[in-house]
Amino acid sequence: DAGITQSPRHKVTETGTPVTLRCHQTENHRYMYWYRQDPGHGLRLIHYSYGVKDTDKGEVSDGYSVSRSKTEDFLLTLESATSSQTSVYFCAISDPTLSHIQYFGAGTRLSVL
Amino acid sequence: DQQVKQNSPSLSVQEGRISILNCDYTNSMFDYFLWYKKYPAEGPTFLISISSIKDKNEDGRFTVFLNKSAKHLSLHIVPSQPGDSAVYFCAAVGRTSGTYKYIFGTGTRLKVLA
Repeated sequence: DAGITQSPRHKVTETGTPVTLRCHQTENHRYMYWYRQDPGHGLRLIHYSYGVKDTDKGEVSDGYSVSRSKTEDFLLTLESATSSQTSVYFCAISDPTLSHIQYFGAGTRLSVL
Repeated sequence: DQQVKQNSPSLSVQEGRISILNCDYTNSMFDYFLWYKKYPAEGPTFLISISSIKDKNEDGRFTVFLNKSAKHLSLHIVPSQPGDSAVYFCAAVGRTSGTYKYIFGTGTRLKVLA
């Protein structure tokens, strides 16, 4: 299994509070991704990173920001959480120089009340 | 605009029979297509993939077929087993502005009946 750790695994928070989710990898993969999974929508890309300090938006980036200060860590921040951001969040990694396969973490279940 | 579509939200199959999961895409520039399997409370796990230059890839009980002219791929599972019951996502990989992005379908929930 790819060495990907997401923390926390579960979080309950209140509307309007900031939340940061962490993804840590031990594989030294160049690319890291944040997705959210919602019923009827599958996996939707929030933001991704193609190197340290190199990030770009995905299809559902509004209300989210990311940072990648070192290869192994990719942080997702909900600046002011809303109930619509209640979801399961997955981090993924890949390295196109090795293969096209994307590996996923176990997910973080976030509830915004 | 959904670039990758899985039009069947669910599928039930008898144990031992064939399961066929379908996926359609709209962008002819995708380089690879992948299938992932997801159990509840776990992350998706890679199952099988196919390059856009091939039309078939096989790995044990799993075979993926790619029809580029129809922009359609399918995953065949033969024989189906109860442990195959999960949500299956297809994904397409493309290169945009020099970076790789993965587009996922909405998933198909497979239930294999014992």
